[in-house]
Formats: sequence, structure tokens, C-alpha cells
Amino acid sequence: GAGVSQSPSNKVTEKGKDVELRCDPISGHTALYWYRQSLGQGLEFLIYFQGNSAPDKSGLPSDRFSAERTGGSVSTLTIQRTQQEDSAVYLCASSLTSSGGVGTQYFGPGTRLTVL
Amino acid sequence: AQSVTQLGSHVSVSEGALVLLRCNYSSSVPPYLFWYVQYPNQGLQLLLKYTSAATLVKGINGFEADFKKSETSFHLTKPSAHMSDAAEYFCAVSVPTGNQFYFGTGTSLTVIP
Repeated sequence: GAGVSQSPSNKVTEKGKDVELRCDPISGHTALYWYRQSLGQGLEFLIYFQGNSAPDKSGLPSDRFSAERTGGSVSTLTIQRTQQEDSAVYLCASSLTSSGGVGTQYFGPGTRLTVL
Repeated sequence: AQSVTQLGSHVSVSEGALVLLRCNYSSSVPPYLFWYVQYPNQGLQLLLKYTSAATLVKGINGFEADFKKSETSFHLTKPSAHMSDAAEYFCAVSVPTGNQFYFGTGTSLTVIP
């Protein structure tokens, strides 16, 4: 595809339910990032994948959050037992290489999660 | 550790006027600096980036930013605002030895006709 795609674009769920958010990065991009954008806040780093290396999970806010990346391509962010404070826009970005922070990130349109 | 501060969560300018969006950073090592723009209902798009080459960086849509180490600043400017510039702008910092990007809280630009 031409860019990073994310699905669904909007997700409304009830408190306590699990949700899965999907990200399809640009083909060939080895680095993939997940961010959370809350109202009035900047982008909060969640997790980073680079090739086959162990992911950098240092940004995950709790053990209810997890992510995986299958085959070095598609990534799924899972939030278990959702809470109202999880409501936010979840953004995915990919880059050709992390190259020590130089690699330009290309962002998807995001998934807007609303927890009732 | 790295961090970014964007002064002014909302900026309004008249069409044709100068756009100035402020960004100050904190970094213990020479940083890489970025400006991203987010149009309504769209993903973030890179405007420009500084990676230790020329300190005055030119980006897309007539924007440019000036890296000033002495002021730890990377302010974004455009000589003449256009209605289509209305968007959210984010400043970000990373470092050569790290994987993470640190984003500011964003500045919403309104262009008044």
C-alpha cells in the first residue's frame, strides 16, 4: 500500500472489554512504533519494533497493554480489560530504519478508541 | 533524557501574516529535531527535520525551522500563512543512540481570513 493503514478507524467499547487495534506498515519498513494521543496531550510512546529484535516495551502504561508484530509486518496492539482512561487516538508509525533516530516516521490515520 | 516544550497550545494568525510556532528542547546529547503536521482526520506528516547538517532547515509547504543550540530552540516559521496551513503542529526530538521520539503537546494553528 501507499501508506500506513490502521483499523478500525473508530472503536467504541464498554469498560472491561478487550480490544485489538491493527496496523499495516509501509512494505519494507523494518521499524514500527505505537503511540497514544490523548486530548490536549502530545504523543505518548508505547512500544517500538525493529526487525527481529526484541521490542522496546518501555512505554506501555500497564500490563493490560501488549503488542505483537507478526512476520515483521502487521502489528496488533491489544488492550485488555479496557478502562475509561484508555480512551484516546492510537497512532502507528513505520520507518525504513531506526538508524539511531534519524529514520523518518510515516504515520497512519489512527484508531480513535472510546471506552464507555 | 530528552523532552520537548511547545509554547502556546493555540496560535492564530491572519492569512498572509508570519507564522511562528515555538519549540524548545532538552537533550543531554546532540539531538535530531522534527516538525510534524496533523491535518484534521489525517495522520501526522513530516514537515522537516534537523539531523546535524545545516541549521536552517527547509521543509514542505514553505515552512522552515532554525536550529539554535545556544537557545535550545527549533522554532517553525512560514513567511505568509495560507488558509490550508490550519492544522496541529508537533515538534519532536530523538537522539542518534536511541529509538524513541519525544513529542511536544502540539500547537493548533488557526488562520483567519
